[in-house]
Amino acid sequence: GAGVSQSPRYKVAKRGQDVALRCDPISGHVSLFWYQQALGQGPEFLTYFQNEAQLDKSGLPSDRFFAERPEGSVSTLKIQRTQQEDSAVYLCASSPYSGRAYEQYFGPGTRLTVT
Amino acid sequence: AQTVTQSQPEMSVQEAETVTLSCTYDTSESDYYLFWYKQPPSRQMILVIRQEAYKQQNATENRFSVNFQKAAKSFSLKISDSQLGDAAMYFCAYKISNAGNMLTFGGGTRLMVKP
Repeated sequence: GAGVSQSPRYKVAKRGQDVALRCDPISGHVSLFWYQQALGQGPEFLTYFQNEAQLDKSGLPSDRFFAERPEGSVSTLKIQRTQQEDSAVYLCASSPYSGRAYEQYFGPGTRLTVT
Repeated sequence: AQTVTQSQPEMSVQEAETVTLSCTYDTSESDYYLFWYKQPPSRQMILVIRQEAYKQQNATENRFSVNFQKAAKSFSLKISDSQLGDAAMYFCAYKISNAGNMLTFGGGTRLMVKP
């Protein structure tokens, strides 16, 4: 079956532009996570959805970051007025709620470069 | 807060030899999972091995095994018979057992495999 997909794979934005990053989780996966991975570092948690409900957004670095999952499937991470420090790889992961709920399946990420 | 520390930024191993990657973590929880993820240049995070904290027996997956020392909060990864395809970034990660909890990652270890 299809894995987690993310688009675009690469995004270059000028400082101050808004960007939208898309994540298509594995079909039927209830949980969806966004992580930010700065160059040379491990991923850091941004936000978590259970179906359409955003249950944890404690990792979002500022109010310029906004995530949604309106129908409990596809999710979009939006960054407004991008800054250079937003340059990173943004990873999406999905997980079933039961069974192998401990395992998160990752997409290939979107590399955002803010110039 | 939980933290995960990988003290080896880079490791090198000769093909067919054995290498051990170190990881320590800090938590006050009693029920959790530990993971090792592999991230090749394609950026896709791939689960290598997992360990449930309540299990005393060390997990093993083919050439990959762990040395889980719960009291010492240590979780090292041993790769036997190293192959060129093992070259990648390796991340140790921690997760509380509830389904909705995020992964906390270490900073990673870059593994190089010499032919």
